[in-house]
Amino acid sequence: DVKVTQSSRYLVKRTGEKVFLECVQDMDHENMFWYRQDPGLGLRLIYFSYDVKMKEKGDIPEGYSVSREKKERFSLILESASTNQTSMYLCASSTSGRRGEQFFGPGTRLTVL
Amino acid sequence: AQSVTQLGSHVSVSEGALVLLRCNYSSSVPPYLFWYVQYPNQGLQLLLKYTSAATLVKGINGFEAEFKKSETSFHLTKPSAHMSDAAEYFCAVRPLNAGGTSYGKLTFGQGTILTVHP
Repeated sequence: DVKVTQSSRYLVKRTGEKVFLECVQDMDHENMFWYRQDPGLGLRLIYFSYDVKMKEKGDIPEGYSVSREKKERFSLILESASTNQTSMYLCASSTSGRRGEQFFGPGTRLTVL
Repeated sequence: AQSVTQLGSHVSVSEGALVLLRCNYSSSVPPYLFWYVQYPNQGLQLLLKYTSAATLVKGINGFEAEFKKSETSFHLTKPSAHMSDAAEYFCAVRPLNAGGTSYGKLTFGQGTILTVHP
């Protein structure tokens, strides 16, 4: 079974803090993704990576950065957390094949006070 | 750009009744389509996917979906709802001719919360 794990299920941070969200997958997938999920808005893509050290902006990259130093690990960074970044963050991975689905981690619910 | 519309943010059914969750896509080329389910406080789990083979796709937990090109739809159904089906459901689309640049990206609908009453 593909397993995608996220470093924290719940996280509480203060405005202005630097926040790291970590994601690890164990199936040697090329692609990895970070989404945020908000009620009524579905999942919105923040950033994705198609290879080590390669990244591309998604639909809502402002206020976020990412790092992929190893194939299995994809980190989301909030350089200076703000209250409007309070959300559920979901990580996913997939193969490079066109038919492959994305596999999701359990999510991190981040609250910024 | 491809998009997905899920009609109805909330759907409520009685246990044993038919479940119908609607999804329409916009694309000039029939895409790959997916349905995911999210149980409370969990990540998303794949229910089923359409990848241009059979138009009627069967998934897990008794769900199925039919791809209708003429209606640009991919509605999710289950003949008899169970209490354990209560969750949020997401339809997603990936362009068919993604080539080398889409990297498996998906565009998700806004989600439909399914409530099942005893």
